[in-house]
Amino acid sequence: RKEVEQDPGPFNVPEGATVAFNCTYSNSASQSFFWYRQDCRKEPKLLMSVYSSGNEDGRFTAQLNRASQYISLLIRDSKLSDSATYLCVVTLDSSYKLIFGSGTRLLVRP
Amino acid sequence: DAGVTQSPTHLIKTRGQQVTLRCSPISGHKSVSWYQQVLGQGPQFIFQYYEKEERGRGNFPDRFSARQFPNYSSELNVNALLLGDSALYLCASSGTASNYGYTFGSGTRLTVV
Repeated sequence: RKEVEQDPGPFNVPEGATVAFNCTYSNSASQSFFWYRQDCRKEPKLLMSVYSSGNEDGRFTAQLNRASQYISLLIRDSKLSDSATYLCVVTLDSSYKLIFGSGTRLLVRP
Repeated sequence: DAGVTQSPTHLIKTRGQQVTLRCSPISGHKSVSWYQQVLGQGPQFIFQYYEKEERGRGNFPDRFSARQFPNYSSELNVNALLLGDSALYLCASSGTASNYGYTFGSGTRLTVV
């Protein structure tokens, strides 16, 4: 079983749509949680950290459910520029290793 | 300010050859990590170095090695290349040994033929 699992997609949505991605992690000892964005053939970039209380950054909302070991990302009012692969990331402790999911691809169409 | 810089950007090697990839962290960052990203997958952790010491190693064979220099730049070496080593190799730097505030370089795309 993979440590972090994501639906690979692609999610194909029209501009203005709301889209949600989920991610599950296998290790209950996981401590930190993030969403990264990766454009085609580019490096991953941190989109947002994910906190147990949930957090919002503009059109993006992230939620963490420790009991069910899943993380979600909600994108409202999708823009063409949101087209990318969204990577779910967890860490086991406060040290060095980021554990990435395989990513969910989002395509926003006009 | 320059971000994380990696060289070369692209590389083609033959099976059995050796390759060295280079990374310069953001100025002032003392931690460098290396990740391998195979097409269609998320990045996989290879190594982390902090203050020139290895702090972590992922599940990669001994053909993979790395080091960090006094100026905090780093090299990743891969010996006896296999076709399966073809991937995007990413370097990430951070000001501390923790996982917060990582910035990735644009990567080196290695193709083994």
